[in-house]
Amino acid sequence: QVQLKESGPGLVQPSQTLSLTCTVSGFSLTSYNVHWVRQPPGKGLEWMGRMRYNGDTSYNSALKSRLSISRDTSKNQVFLKMNSLQTDDTGTYYCTRDYNYGYKRDWFAYWGQGTLVTVSS
Amino acid sequence: DTVLTQSPALAVSPGERVSISCRASEGVNSYMHWYQQKPGQQPKLLIYKASNLASGVPARFSGSGSGTDFTLTIDPVEADDTATYFCQQSWNDPRTFGGGTKLELK
Repeated sequence: QVQLKESGPGLVQPSQTLSLTCTVSGFSLTSYNVHWVRQPPGKGLEWMGRMRYNGDTSYNSALKSRLSISRDTSKNQVFLKMNSLQTDDTGTYYCTRDYNYGYKRDWFAYWGQGTLVTVSS
Repeated sequence: DTVLTQSPALAVSPGERVSISCRASEGVNSYMHWYQQKPGQQPKLLIYKASNLASGVPARFSGSGSGTDFTLTIDPVEADDTATYFCQQSWNDPRTFGGGTKLELK
């Protein structure tokens, strides 16, 4: 079945770079779009960016200067790197997959369990 | 970006009907989706494209609307429905979420 699992450091120091990995199973990264969504504690959801099935990426304009998403299809992994972290980047980071094959206007059908990232010295 | 506005919280009694609204700052056609999130869990898809029930979701949940005004209805509400409900649009780029409506049971 479709599964996504986020992994990465739970604690990052301010001004440092966050690196997260989303490891997927049950589908091919060359067929479906995978996104990163984050959620500050007790707050709402924010779309960060996506890796399209064809390797193209797009980013939330508010994060674009700090964010990079890449992938390794041989390892079924999608990566998130975000630099210059501040305390307001603290939150749970999710990777999520679209329902349909390569469809731009799709919905988030499958979600990882999320990984909590705390930005603190 | 398309702003989605939801009421912050609602309180209802079990067995009642509840409607949760979501208003978009610009038209999103029918590309509004609804998610349920319980504390400590990831969001779960309930409704896609305004009115389509996701797989495995009880028929107590339904969705309606188009353009800028959308509604998620739960009828009847059960104790297990205590959660925060988010709307999300995918018609305009970037995809955006509403702030969430926290549903509490009396």
